[in-house]
Order: sequence, then structure tokens, then C-alpha cells
Amino acid sequence: QKEVEQDPGPLSVPEGAIVSLNCTYSNSAFQYFMWYRQYSRKGPELLMYTYSSGNKEDGRFTAQVDKSSKYISLFIRDSQPSDSATYLCAMSPSGSARQLTFGSGTQLTVLP
Amino acid sequence: DTAVSQTPKYLVTQMGNDKSIKCEQNLGHDTMYWYKQDSKKFLKIMFSYNNKELIINETVPNRFSPKSPDKAHLNLHINSLELGDSAVYFCASSPQFGGGEQFFGPGTRLTVL
Repeated sequence: QKEVEQDPGPLSVPEGAIVSLNCTYSNSAFQYFMWYRQYSRKGPELLMYTYSSGNKEDGRFTAQVDKSSKYISLFIRDSQPSDSATYLCAMSPSGSARQLTFGSGTQLTVLP
Repeated sequence: DTAVSQTPKYLVTQMGNDKSIKCEQNLGHDTMYWYKQDSKKFLKIMFSYNNKELIINETVPNRFSPKSPDKAHLNLHINSLELGDSAVYFCASSPQFGGGEQFFGPGTRLTVL
């Protein structure tokens, strides 16, 4: 079993839809949770960065962390065709060895 | 004013050759990383350097050797290339070791024939 599981999709939604992307994990030491967006043939770019449980909102994006269920989510409101990309969750423990473990990514297409 | 840059963007080479990929960051970060992304988009850490010292060396073949001449540069040298080395290699940097705020370069797409 992988440490971080993410549904690879592909996921297609109409423009304006609310998108929900999710990851589950098995390592209870994970404390930092991130979402990266990767456009085709580009490097990942950091979208959201949260510590421990709770919600964080940034414009149309909301990140949720539920450590009791080992489950994190990214919600995209009013989705746009420009949101079409692969979304990668990533997480790391606290302490000196905080390397990132990535999910395999979910490919999202927002149809105009 | 590119934050993390890599060269070359594409690299096509024959099995058995030796090649290098260069990475530079102008963010003043202390830590740099090399990742490998396979055809299924899975990103896996290979190496991490903090202030020119290797602090992670994941179980990658010793044909791969990172070299950091200074904290703004982290190069990856690969000896005796194999078919299975074909992938996209990403360089990244962060203000401190392990910080989630890692900034990635555009990637180098390596194809071994």
C-alpha cells in the first residue's frame, strides 16, 4: 500500500462546476499538507499549504485536512478551463526529516 | 527572472551514454532537490542538498550523482544511461530543508533510446 493514495482520474467537469479532489494517507506522522498544480509539460506549482487539521481558503480554492480520517481535500469553486491540469497532493512530517511524499496526481479537465 | 531553471529542457540520448542536467535557483533558498517523475506522473524524491551538503540520498542507483558547486546550483550527472532512466527530472528548491513550499523548475524530459 502506498503512503499516499490519490485517484488518478481523469476527471471531466463543465465550466462553473465545483470540483472535489481527494487524497488519503496512512502515515500518522504527516503534519504538513500541500496541493500542487501541474500543467502539461510544466513543473508543479504550489497552490495550497496547510499545517495539521482544518480549512484554508484562497480565492476559489479551499483545502481541508481531516487528520482523524487521514483524508485531505481540495475544492475548486466556479471551475474554469484554465484549471485543467494535474493536481498533486503532497505531505510531510514535522521535524528535521521533512521530505515530501506525493500522491500520483488527479488529471482534471474543465470543459467550456 | 525565472526562479528555478533547468537545462536542457529535452535530452535524447543513447543507452550507455553519460549526461548531465543543470539546475539553478535565484530565490536565495538553502535547500535544493532532484525529483524523478515517471510516465504515470508519480513524483519521487531522489536527492536533497542543504547548503551544499547531501542530506537525503534515496535508493537511486549510484550511476546518478548530484553535484552542488554552491547553494544556488544543483546538477545531476547520470552515467551509463539505461532505458528505465527515461522520465522527467525536476529540480526544486525550498527556503529550508523539507519545507512544503518547494518551488519546481520546468523539468528536463530525458529519453534514452
